[in-house]
Amino acid sequence: AQSVTQPDIHITVSEGASLELRCNYSYGATPYLFWYVQSPGQGLQLLLKYFSGDTLVQGIKGFEAEFKRSQSSFNLRKPSVHWSDAAEYFCAVGEGSGNTGKLIFGQGTTLQVKP
Amino acid sequence: EADIYQTPRYLVIGTGKKITLECSQTMGHDKMYWYQQDPGMELHLIHYSYGVNSTEKGDLSSESTVSRIRTEHFPLTLESARPSHTSQYLCASSPSPGSGELFFGEGSRLTVL
Repeated sequence: AQSVTQPDIHITVSEGASLELRCNYSYGATPYLFWYVQSPGQGLQLLLKYFSGDTLVQGIKGFEAEFKRSQSSFNLRKPSVHWSDAAEYFCAVGEGSGNTGKLIFGQGTTLQVKP
Repeated sequence: EADIYQTPRYLVIGTGKKITLECSQTMGHDKMYWYQQDPGMELHLIHYSYGVNSTEKGDLSSESTVSRIRTEHFPLTLESARPSHTSQYLCASSPSPGSGELFFGEGSRLTVL
């Protein structure tokens, strides 16, 4: 069965520092991968997605992620974190063929940003 | 900007009450979904629909029911709410054909006393 693991439940970084959030997935074929962000009391917003092609994908708000098939990973990065980036981040994989819209989510990583 | 709306945003009700969570989208998306999210936990799919008069149960068993009479509307109903139903319910939609990307509403936080 497909699954997504986000090893870090909670991460704290200083404003201006770089950020990397880890995501590992379990799926035999080429996965459809997503990163979503959720601010308190809000729904989820798509940051970026990967289906095929270039393994380094750019997203909104200065985020990027790299797909590494050999490591079954899709880690999210940002070179310089802003206080407004404090939120919950979810990695997800598309179930089955990937474009059904049925996503399997990781448990999420809470990002805290120190001034 | 995605146009998907959920009402109510917050609801506190007593045990045994019937409730309906509304979800509407103005994007003409065929696919719609309900996810359940408990605090600090991942989202779990409880219902989905690929078009009018099509509804399916998701991976997480739920006592709720859904209907899809119109493309833009996908309400979720609990006939008799219990404290175990306390959770956040997120509605989402996706275009078809598409890349599997979901557009989420802001959620309905339900508390059953």
